[in-house]
Amino acid sequence: DIQLTQSPSFLSASVGDRVTITCRASQGVGSDLAWYQQKPGKAPNLLIYYTSTLQSGVPSRFSGSRSGTGFTLTITSLQPEDFATYYCQQLNAYPYTFGQGTKLETK
Amino acid sequence: EVQLVESGGGLVQPGGSLRLSCGASGFTFSDYPMHWVRQAPGKGLESVSTISGLGGTTFYADSVKGRFTISRDNSKNTVYLQMGSLRPEDMGVYYCARRASDGLDIWGQGTMVTVSS
Repeated sequence: DIQLTQSPSFLSASVGDRVTITCRASQGVGSDLAWYQQKPGKAPNLLIYYTSTLQSGVPSRFSGSRSGTGFTLTITSLQPEDFATYYCQQLNAYPYTFGQGTKLETK
Repeated sequence: EVQLVESGGGLVQPGGSLRLSCGASGFTFSDYPMHWVRQAPGKGLESVSTISGLGGTTFYADSVKGRFTISRDNSKNTVYLQMGSLRPEDMGVYYCARRASDGLDIWGQGTMVTVSS
């Protein structure tokens, strides 16, 4: 199975900050990587697919990029509603594994 | 409105069975592969099973292979997850999700499965 390792697992930040979350794959997944946001008690919400394509309705302060087997989710100018847990997922090979999650907390 | 609604969760004893259902509306159901993803209490997301749009291809995580069966009835716009030989580690919220493009773009609200004696 392809392992996805997210870092950091926890991140403290303030409104207005720029934050970056990294997801590294244990083997190549091409550009088949998605990012999700999950708030407590809610289902995950797709933010970005195919590494860098923004899902409809997602604010432009969210962006994604890739360098080799490393992927990055960047949030510029954090808003109060952005404090949540973020997951990456590869959709290149079954099983479609998820990263372990990054909890973004208010500082 | 595009929507997925799960049902069928509940309390079951270890070794027992349960069938989850996920009803879809607002889109052409047979055009989309469907996924079941679970989340143990306080833990991350785990892909459990997948079925192609016409139902001819299925996939299972190793942790559930041989115990769970995914199926779909496109005439009823519903995907099912038949779960058997349930273990405490199967406990959690089960979500169904639609795969579109290169991501799971529509999720249900989830249904809780509790495995306990």
